[in-house]
Amino acid sequence: QVQLVQSGAEVKRPGASVRVSCRASAHTFTVKYIHWVRHAPGHGLEWMGRIGPYNVGTLYSPTFQGRLTLTTDTSSSTSYMNLTLLTAADTAIFYCATNVGGRRPFDSWGQGTLVTVSS
Amino acid sequence: QSVLTQPPSVSGAPGQTITISCTGSSSNIGAGYDVYWYQQFPGTAPRLLVAGNNNRPSGVPDRFSGSESGTSASLVITGLQAEDEADYYCQAYEFDTSLSPVVFGGGTKLTVL
Repeated sequence: QVQLVQSGAEVKRPGASVRVSCRASAHTFTVKYIHWVRHAPGHGLEWMGRIGPYNVGTLYSPTFQGRLTLTTDTSSSTSYMNLTLLTAADTAIFYCATNVGGRRPFDSWGQGTLVTVSS
Repeated sequence: QSVLTQPPSVSGAPGQTITISCTGSSSNIGAGYDVYWYQQFPGTAPRLLVAGNNNRPSGVPDRFSGSESGTSASLVITGLQAEDEADYYCQAYEFDTSLSPVVFGGGTKLTVL
């Protein structure tokens, strides 16, 4: 298993953007895909997108296409999830998770980052 | 509305066997790839519990098992224990390109009576 450490909770106004980080060992980002999952209160888990090793193979869910940008900074061993045009419906815990690519399971998860969108 | 359908809740007494179902379609579970199950305790991240048919990560008891048939999958927990009380999610890969390529069930809350 890989240890994934996410950034702290955020409070944002509607219409704003949020950036959540996910730090792991340098090796992780050269061999693993980083996925992002949203867990809104009272809802199930929702896959947002993924980014592959060396920033290739980026794929977004149609639900978030246009609002979501995933990047990885290998020099700091950190992956970022940037979500724009926030609404109250984006109030959720956001998780990063890894897999080895393909149709494999998510074998490690970050601790989650609570994002609250409120006016 | 989740693409994969799970019962919102199940319950059982200690020692009993329970089954959590996960119903999909021919474009996800029915496509023939593995279904994955995750366990989540309140305030913690999900963790991988079962991959496909009974592939369990290190540390997961063999009381947990998975199976798949057609467009459905099931998680079976035998010898239910109080510590199994948690939320359980199924996950599959989606081949309908109009949908997200990764789909989850809505989650099932397991209560140990």
